[in-house]
Amino acid sequence: EVQLVESGGGLVKPGRSLRLSCTTSGFTFRDYAVSWFRQDPGKGLEWVGFIRSKGYTGTTDYSASVIGRFTISRDDSKSIAYLQMNSLEIEDTAVYYCARGRRTAVAGVKYYFDYWGQGTLVTVSS
Amino acid sequence: EIVMTQSPATLFVAPGERATLSCRASQSVSSNLAWYQQIPGQAPRLLIYTASTRAAGIPARFSGSGSGTEFTLTISSLQSEDFAVYFCQQYDIWPPWTFGQGTKLEIK
Repeated sequence: EVQLVESGGGLVKPGRSLRLSCTTSGFTFRDYAVSWFRQDPGKGLEWVGFIRSKGYTGTTDYSASVIGRFTISRDDSKSIAYLQMNSLEIEDTAVYYCARGRRTAVAGVKYYFDYWGQGTLVTVSS
Repeated sequence: EIVMTQSPATLFVAPGERATLSCRASQSVSSNLAWYQQIPGQAPRLLIYTASTRAAGIPARFSGSGSGTEFTLTISSLQSEDFAVYFCQQYDIWPPWTFGQGTKLEIK
């Protein structure tokens, strides 16, 4: 059974840092991309960042709202992806989800997200 | 960035009836469109990808259609567990991946 479990959320003051983990099981982690999304309570979904599998460069992309502050990494030996969040702002308060990326290459490279974790709440407040 | 717009924001449907949800993209996304279901307090669950392909384990009462800029999710006979929020997401032009604001399906 494919599983993704986020951890590391909590209450943090503005300007501080937090690292989230996405621990996976039930599939060959190194073969898949991973993305992070977030959701304001009661609101919509926002893409945060993305890391390709090492077989497809292992490079990352970030949304404009977090670039320069957030960093995604992966440890294929542990089947874990990380989201390092620095210089946190009140607007970063949300539930953060990780999701497995499925690659398609029928007409250009595309990724959709087929399995998601349950999320971890990050609250940024003084 | 592609803007996704869903309508209606809230849809009231009786159990056993059909529900039709709409999603529009600000420019063509071909068939690179996914639908997710989210029950409050839970993670999004992939229902449909490539606009019309059901994900693993998704019941046949869920169907998707459309291409380009106009898409529809149809639930043919609503069950109690289907009352939730539904999001569409484009994955044609990325990053960023973008979502609609959601349609809340409520019991009539």
